[in-house]
Amino acid sequence: DAKTTQPTSMDCAEGRAANLPCNHSTISGNEYVYWYRQIHSQGPQYIIHGLKNNETNEMASLIITEDRKSSTLILPHATLRDTAVYYCIAHTMSARQLTFGSGTQLTVLP
Amino acid sequence: GAVVSQHPSWVICKSGTSVKIECRSLDFQATTMFWYRQFPKQSLMLMATSNEGSKATYEQGVEKDKFLINHASLTLSTLTVTSAHPEDSSFYICSASGTVNTEAFFGQGTRLTVV
Repeated sequence: DAKTTQPTSMDCAEGRAANLPCNHSTISGNEYVYWYRQIHSQGPQYIIHGLKNNETNEMASLIITEDRKSSTLILPHATLRDTAVYYCIAHTMSARQLTFGSGTQLTVLP
Repeated sequence: GAVVSQHPSWVICKSGTSVKIECRSLDFQATTMFWYRQFPKQSLMLMATSNEGSKATYEQGVEKDKFLINHASLTLSTLTVTSAHPEDSSFYICSASGTVNTEAFFGQGTRLTVV
């Protein structure tokens, strides 16, 4: 898996959009960008993934730059329950184990 | 989405005893499951890959005789921590995916405390 770089922590006001950046400048052509989050003392939860097109689901949107060297996860209306560590992982679909970095601790403030 | 269930959610055991943790895929078959360990304020570290019907493969530095993995069916993998010591106290998490090209799903984790 290509190395990813994320800020250590971020704060966001409740109800506002949370934009979490991720750099993956060495990503290869067959690696997808995956996002997972881990709420304290729970297993990671899948959020979204994409290859080069922007993606949206009921949880979040994923914006991938045209050169694929970075991406942004957007939680459109953050709630207190979105407080978690968010992991950005560059990963080929053929490999099922994931390599977790340090992630970003997102704290949603009331 | 697919569900992976882990049991128990937490366990306290005495030093020298063994503890078994179960990981089940509830609505799909998983030929491969993964076991991770997470120490406080650290990220998840892959311990081993559990393969149905064959031996598990362990990451470097993980003792295979201490962390016994059995994957006897397509829906169940077990991790047994043998002769547990306080330094084995950690959060153990399993994951599985049904087929290639799908996302991985994680169990809720097991908090092991060895006293």
